[in-house]
Amino acid sequence: EIVLTQFPATLSLSPGERATLSCRASRPISNSLAWYQQRPGQAPRLLIYDASNRATDIPARFSGSGSGTDFTLTISSLEPEDFAIYYCQQRQETFGPGTRVEIK
Amino acid sequence: QLQLVQSGAEVKNPGSSVRVSCKASGGRFGRFAMSWVRQAPGQGLEWMGGIVPLFGSAIYAEKFQDRVTISADESRDTGYMDLRGLTSDDTAIYYCARMMVTLGGVIHYGLDVWGQGTAVTVSS
Repeated sequence: EIVLTQFPATLSLSPGERATLSCRASRPISNSLAWYQQRPGQAPRLLIYDASNRATDIPARFSGSGSGTDFTLTISSLEPEDFAIYYCQQRQETFGPGTRVEIK
Repeated sequence: QLQLVQSGAEVKNPGSSVRVSCKASGGRFGRFAMSWVRQAPGQGLEWMGGIVPLFGSAIYAEKFQDRVTISADESRDTGYMDLRGLTSDDTAIYYCARMMVTLGGVIHYGLDVWGQGTAVTVSS
């Protein structure tokens, strides 16, 4: 079973700052990775699919990169609504434990 | 715009079973491909399994292999998740989500449409 590790567990930043979230797979998974945002009380929302493609209606400040075992989600300039939990998922199967982006 | 509408909240006794349904609304599903994900209170997301009828039978996470059945009625654009042998550890919100598979069978890795979630509480 492929295990995903996300770091940091918590990221404390201010609005307008850049956020860099990491996800590492225990074995190479090519570009078979997605990123999701989850706000309290809501279902997850797809941000990035196939490691680097923005999903429909996702703002350009969100970008994904990486291949193999190391992946990154970047939020170029945090908006107030971006403070949430972010999960990566490999091959539409296992999820990482999540990174919480909180207001500093 | 396509939405996935799930069945309502359930309260179950330990040892019993639950069925959660998920129906496409407001548009066609396209190539039917559905995953099920759950989230226990205060915890992260946990993939349970998925089904793409084009590719054959459902696949399951090892943890749920013996207790879950995922099925689909493509003619109704509806998916189902049956979980047996419930314990208090199964108390969670259960989500269905559409897997990105084109009509030609090409897979894109992401779950792009999610249901609203179904709360399942297991308690005596």
